[in-house]
Amino acid sequence: GAVVSQHPSRVICKSGTSVKIECRSLDFQATTMFWYRQFPKQSLMLMATSNEGSKATYEQGVEKDKFLINHASLTLSTLTVTSAHPEDSSFYICSARDPGQGGTGELFFGEGSRLTVL
Amino acid sequence: AQRVTQPEKLLSVFKGAPVELKCNYSYSGSPELFWYVQYSRQRLQLLLRHISRESIKGFTADLNKGETSFHLKKPFAQEEDSAMYYCALAQGGYNKLIFGAGTRLAVHP
Repeated sequence: GAVVSQHPSRVICKSGTSVKIECRSLDFQATTMFWYRQFPKQSLMLMATSNEGSKATYEQGVEKDKFLINHASLTLSTLTVTSAHPEDSSFYICSARDPGQGGTGELFFGEGSRLTVL
Repeated sequence: AQRVTQPEKLLSVFKGAPVELKCNYSYSGSPELFWYVQYSRQRLQLLLRHISRESIKGFTADLNKGETSFHLKKPFAQEEDSAMYYCALAQGGYNKLIFGAGTRLAVHP
């Protein structure tokens, strides 16, 4: 299957700083990537849809100025958590669909990035 | 509103026992449903999708529109089936996946 990779896998930062998480599709081009957030022992919550070459589409309740998404190329989307606070601590997961698989609907997930804000 | 409900947080069975992980959905259109699995220390991966009507690793799931359910079943559980299982509903032509809360399956020897 297609491979999606995230970096870093773990990051610890101080409150008030910004953190960038990268999501790359390694063997396919993804015009659309999805960013999810997962709280401990809870489900994945879709935060936003990242669109290559255009603005991201945010889900209701997600602050777009807080969670900046950039999808500058067909293989890279970045999520920047700005002015991070302890409540932003979470597991962030990106995913993408391989268009070469003919719209089967399968999402390929990154390994996730655990953010801890002190 | 679109919603996926997995009522059980934990399902604990012995090896060889049948397994049924429940999933109910709420969706006004024609649903596209998936089961994703996450093994320990691994990323989330697709297990099966209703549209293909396939059996993966002995698991099957049938879409029941009358009961709005998509329960995951396996007749004989194996220890390696122990994992977190998520039911997911696709919206907008697969543009979004809405996940259930997940059920942890623990298969004991």
